[in-house]
Amino acid sequence: GAVVSQHPSRVICKSGTSVKIECRSLDFQATTMFWYRQFPKQSLMLMATSNEGSKATYEQGVEKDKFLINHASLTLSTLTVTSAHPEDSSFYICSAAISGELFFGEGSRLTVL
Amino acid sequence: GQQLNQSPQSMFIQEGEDVSMNCTSSSIFNTWLWYKQDPGEGPVLLIALYKAGELTSNGRLTAQFGITRKDSFLNISASIPSDVGIYFCAGQEGAQKLVFGQGTRLTINP
Repeated sequence: GAVVSQHPSRVICKSGTSVKIECRSLDFQATTMFWYRQFPKQSLMLMATSNEGSKATYEQGVEKDKFLINHASLTLSTLTVTSAHPEDSSFYICSAAISGELFFGEGSRLTVL
Repeated sequence: GQQLNQSPQSMFIQEGEDVSMNCTSSSIFNTWLWYKQDPGEGPVLLIALYKAGELTSNGRLTAQFGITRKDSFLNISASIPSDVGIYFCAGQEGAQKLVFGQGTRLTINP
């Protein structure tokens, strides 16, 4: 069964609004989670490392004020896309490690109209 | 940042054929991973390689960690329709950070 779950799986929003995506570790605690972004027919690109109880670490070129990450508990990390624009439309995927192995969530497809 | 070169980008084969894909890197990784991604889903781990030269099998899948630690290949034998999907290699840096290849899209004709 799934060990990492994302919600929602699909979301459509209007340009200018903010969207929150949740990533939960099921039955285990994850002090670190990772957020990836995947454009159609392209690879996964790491956006940021989410650290429980501290600030996220963003990869070069990723706007931290645009993509807000909160890791308030050991089982939940959230990614909020603020003031979304059509170019933010993408597939967002999180991952968490258990026993040294990384598991990925099901992904969340964001469409900004 | 680091990049992985994965080839081929796409493959069109007949059912029953064997498949081979590979990844190369400009730098060394301590762990190589191979994932499969179905449309609209997150990647699922197929094989993990931890030692240079390691050859590991998982059913019809075989993967090897190159001696130089800068490359890896994945073979699929006797392909079946459910093998269709996108295959990604990934090199693991410290603290579970992954760098992904561009992916190989596999299409199988019955």
